[in-house]
Amino acid sequence: DSGVTQTPKHLITATGQRVTLRCSPRSGDLSVYWYQQSLDQGLQFLIQYYNGEERAKGNILERFSAQQFPDLHSELNLSSLELGDSALYFCASSVEPMTELGNTIYFGEGSWLTVV
Amino acid sequence: GDSVTQMEGPVTLSEEAFLTINCTYTATGYPSLFWYVQYPGEGLQLLLKATKADDKGSNKGFEATYRKETTSFHLEKGSVQVSDSAVYFCALSDRGGAQKLVFGQGTRLTINP
Repeated sequence: DSGVTQTPKHLITATGQRVTLRCSPRSGDLSVYWYQQSLDQGLQFLIQYYNGEERAKGNILERFSAQQFPDLHSELNLSSLELGDSALYFCASSVEPMTELGNTIYFGEGSWLTVV
Repeated sequence: GDSVTQMEGPVTLSEEAFLTINCTYTATGYPSLFWYVQYPGEGLQLLLKATKADDKGSNKGFEATYRKETTSFHLEKGSVQVSDSAVYFCALSDRGGAQKLVFGQGTRLTINP
C-alpha cells in the first residue's frame, strides 16, 4: 500500500459526459501528479500540483482540468469524453522539495475509465 | 526533452533464468533513475532507484546500476520466479523545476514454470 488513495477504481461512462477522479496523497506529501496510461500512448504525465498551485503541465488536453484543494487532495476533471479517453489514470504524490536527492514519487492504484 | 528507452518486449523466460531488461536514457541534467513494476491488475510500485552515477539500487533480488558513461540503468535478476511476471517501467526524474517522472514504454515479462 503506497498510501495514495484514488477513487473510483472503475468508472464506465458515455461519450460526451464529464467525470471527476479523486486522489488523496500520502500523509505529508504536498505534491500531487496525474498520469494517464493507455495502450497506445504508454504512461503520460498530465499535470502536477504543489501545495495547491499548478507546478507543471504535460500532455493534458484542454478538455481536462485539475485542482488541488487546501486539504491537499486533488481532483482530475475530464469533460466531453471521447472513446480515446479510455485509460487508467494514476495519481501520485511526493514529498518536497524534490531537489533533495532520491525523493520518490509514490503511485495510487489508479482509476480505470471506460468511455462507451 | 528527457526520454527513456527500454528494450522491447514481451520477454518470456523460464523460472530460475537470468533476467536483463535494458534501459537507456537521455537527459540534459543529472536525473534520478527508477524502476517501477506493475503486476497484473494493480498500480505502479517502486521497485528500486538510484540517485547518482555508480549508485546501485536493489530490492527483492533485482538490481540496477546507474551508469552515467553509457546513460543506462539496466535491470537484472539472477533467478526469476513466476511471481515476477509483470510489466516493468524504467523512469527518470529531473531534479530541476518540476520533477515529474518520464517513463519508458514498459517491458512485459512472463515467467513460465
